[in-house]
Amino acid sequence: GAGVSQSPSNKVTEKGKDVELRCDPISGHTALYWYRQRLGQGLEFLIYFQGNSAPDKSGLPSDRFSAERTGESVSTLTIQRTQQEDSAVYLCASSRRGSETQYFGPGTRLLVL
Amino acid sequence: AQSVTQPDIHITVSEGASLELRCNYSYGATPYLFWYVQSPGQGLQLLLKYFSGDTLVQGIKGFEAEFKRSQSSFNLRKPSVHWSDAAEYFCASGDLETSYDKVIFGPGTSLSVIP
Repeated sequence: GAGVSQSPSNKVTEKGKDVELRCDPISGHTALYWYRQRLGQGLEFLIYFQGNSAPDKSGLPSDRFSAERTGESVSTLTIQRTQQEDSAVYLCASSRRGSETQYFGPGTRLLVL
Repeated sequence: AQSVTQPDIHITVSEGASLELRCNYSYGATPYLFWYVQSPGQGLQLLLKYFSGDTLVQGIKGFEAEFKRSQSSFNLRKPSVHWSDAAEYFCASGDLETSYDKVIFGPGTSLSVIP
């Protein structure tokens, strides 16, 4: 595709519900990253995939957060039993192996009521 | 632990004035460095990057940055700011030898431009 796409663009959910956020990386990009950006704050690293393995999950805030990736394609970030503090923009980025430049998607804006 | 700091949370400059945004990184014998810009309502866009070679890097929109290993810095500069430069600026860094592919972002500097 032309760029990284994410869906949904906006998600409003009730506290305690589970949500799934999707990221479609640029075709051919082997690395995929998830970040969280709270209102007025910087980017918080969550998890990084190289292919479908996740060598670095150190940024996941709690065991309510999980992510998976199918091959070198789509990734899904799942947040279980959402809390109000999970409200943020969740950004996905991808990069080509051998090029550390990350290309970002537009983000999913999550609001937990 | 690896980290990237941006000492200035918010900066305000007059249109036409010069700009310097500070960035310091804390790790890596072989760092690679980026500056990204996030305009209101838009995604992150790469301004420039440094991997090796010339320590003065030119980017898009008239921006440049200088890598100074002795100071562990990678400050972003622009000689004359335009109103459209108002945005959030993020510095990011990785290390080619120890953490290939993992990039750490700084907290960001918010830039306001006044007429």
